[in-house]
Amino acid sequence: QKEVEQNSGPLSVPEGAIASLNCTYSDRGSQSFFWYRQYSGKSPELIMFIYSNGDKEDGRFTAQLNKASQYVSLLIRDSQPSDSATYLCVVNAGSGNTGKLIFGQGTTLQVKP
Amino acid sequence: DTEVTQTPKHLVMGMTNKKSLKCEQHMGHRAMYWYKQKAKKPPELMFVYSYEKLSINESVPSRFSPECPNSSLLNLHLHALQPEDSALYLCASSRQEAYNEQFFGPGTRLTVL
Repeated sequence: QKEVEQNSGPLSVPEGAIASLNCTYSDRGSQSFFWYRQYSGKSPELIMFIYSNGDKEDGRFTAQLNKASQYVSLLIRDSQPSDSATYLCVVNAGSGNTGKLIFGQGTTLQVKP
Repeated sequence: DTEVTQTPKHLVMGMTNKKSLKCEQHMGHRAMYWYKQKAKKPPELMFVYSYEKLSINESVPSRFSPECPNSSLLNLHLHALQPEDSALYLCASSRQEAYNEQFFGPGTRLTVL
């Protein structure tokens, strides 16, 4: 069973702080990693994707990937109340299952003014 | 333009009704997906169309019937649904099945009475 594990939270941080969201995955063959943000009652929105080990930065967001440890993280700098949402860690199902994504259960982030 | 549109936004139907959900994308993507999402759960994959052919069917009950009239359109026909089928139904698309960056539409909130 291929799995993606996330702490469900809620993760509560004060406005302006760094929020750190973490995720582990079980399939060593996975090649693509995504973070989706989902506001309550809305659809998931792709905010970051990463394919190579290391860091990838986009504005206030940094995705980090460590394939040896099977670990993915998302850092949100200068957190804003508008960042309050559920963040889904999503991993492709590896070789032989292209197109199929495995979703984590999501981490709820609360940014307090 | 990374827009996927879905209609209707909301749908209420009885268990004996027949209805259809519609999805459209104009990004030139060749893979389209249907997901079902229950409250506080991640999306669950239902169907994948790749180059207008059904490539993944996640053992979904036959009361759900997908149709892909062309590369831009995806329908989900509903018949004799049960109250437990009430959920948010999400359509997504990606450049090609192997590409994996999936972009979601806003969803249809379905209530079965």
